[in-house]
Amino acid sequence: GNSVTQMEGPVTLSEEAFLTINCTYTATGYPSLFWYVQYPGEGLQLLLKATKADDKGSNKGFEATYRKETTSFHLEKGSVQVSDSAVYFCALRPETSGSRLTFGEGTQLTVNP
Amino acid sequence: DTGVSQNPRHKITKRGQNVTFRCDPISEHNRLYWYRQTLGQGPEFLTYFQNEAQLEKSRLLSDRFSAERPKGSFSTLEIQRTEQGDSAMYLCASSETGVPNEKLFFGSGTQLSVL
Repeated sequence: GNSVTQMEGPVTLSEEAFLTINCTYTATGYPSLFWYVQYPGEGLQLLLKATKADDKGSNKGFEATYRKETTSFHLEKGSVQVSDSAVYFCALRPETSGSRLTFGEGTQLTVNP
Repeated sequence: DTGVSQNPRHKITKRGQNVTFRCDPISEHNRLYWYRQTLGQGPEFLTYFQNEAQLEKSRLLSDRFSAERPKGSFSTLEIQRTEQGDSAMYLCASSETGVPNEKLFFGSGTQLSVL
């Protein structure tokens, strides 16, 4: 079946540090890949997405590249801010089986000033 | 655009009671999804509607769970004879178009605690 695995968390960084949150997936074919972010007390928001191999999704300084050869979609940001503190979820939508998303377990990011 | 609205935000109930949650999607969205999220885990798909038709249900949706979207607008999720294992955050999401350009908008969820 389809699955998404994120790096074990939580992650604590100082402001302006470099961020990487690892995400690997298991799925047949070419799923679409997503990063969602959940700020405290709010609903999940789409952060970025990529729909085919080698695509790079980017938004708000965050980037992730769809790597088919390593089945990965790692999230990166060059310089994090305190306001980036949130829970980040990697997710996939299968190529052929409808609209459901499969999420990873989430990674709590805390950025200290 | 007021976003996806879910009510109530919190629900505490005793084991064996029935509970019902409501989701009001973004007005022009024709797809509506229900997910369940337990502490420390990502959301798990429960079911989704295209207008008023329920098109897919997860095996997680036992016979005690029922979802409706009678007029293709708001949706309700009912859990009968609640169990402690039902304690979770229940998330609703809506979208306007289908794959591959679909973008889901999530509500803030209903936190259910079964005592």
